[in-house]
Amino acid sequence: QAQLVQSGGEMKKSGASVKVSCKAFGYTFSAHGITWVRQAPGQGLEWMGWFSAYTGDAYYAQNFQGRLTMTRDTSTSTAYMELRSLTSDDTAVYYCARGQLLADYWGQGTVVSVSS
Amino acid sequence: QSVLTQPPSTSGTPGQRVTISCSGSTSNIGGNTVNWYQQLPGTAPKVLIYSNNQRPSGVPDRFSGSKSGTSASLAISGLQSEDEGDYYCGSWDDSLNGHYVFGTGTKVTVL
Repeated sequence: QAQLVQSGGEMKKSGASVKVSCKAFGYTFSAHGITWVRQAPGQGLEWMGWFSAYTGDAYYAQNFQGRLTMTRDTSTSTAYMELRSLTSDDTAVYYCARGQLLADYWGQGTVVSVSS
Repeated sequence: QSVLTQPPSTSGTPGQRVTISCSGSTSNIGGNTVNWYQQLPGTAPKVLIYSNNQRPSGVPDRFSGSKSGTSASLAISGLQSEDEGDYYCGSWDDSLNGHYVFGTGTKVTVL
């Protein structure tokens, strides 16, 4: 049974960066991409981008171009999402999910809180 | 910014059947498959339906999905109290170099 386990919650100041990890268990990490999605308090789901765990190529939503980086460490089957220049609008729960089409496994979510 | 439109809310009594619509366009639903997600309070989204009408293992057959043209729908038959939560549709969108889009979300209330 595949599983994605995310790192713990983060509290950041405006202007800082945050790096969230997503460790994969129970499947061949390089065989599937990882997508990142976020959900602001009381809001819907927002696609941030996805990357191929095999090639490392990443595709970002236009809203995040320039301040979002998705990477992976194949030796530990871990995906990373780094968001820079944080503002209060980035306060949200961040989820990783397996695959480009978000058709199966999701992580438990990581709360990122940004304050001024 | 959601590009798939869902009704904000729907409700029903236990045992009733409710449906949720999801309206898109030719660049998303019209040309790609649709997934449905259930998000219970305080939890991560869970895939309820994938590839328009496929249920993952463990999802009750009370949940069913369909797609026609640029719209899709989710039906919940035999509504139960534990079904209360938020439901989202999602689909790949081929515009803007490709990206995934979600629906606006529908709150299901069991009366």
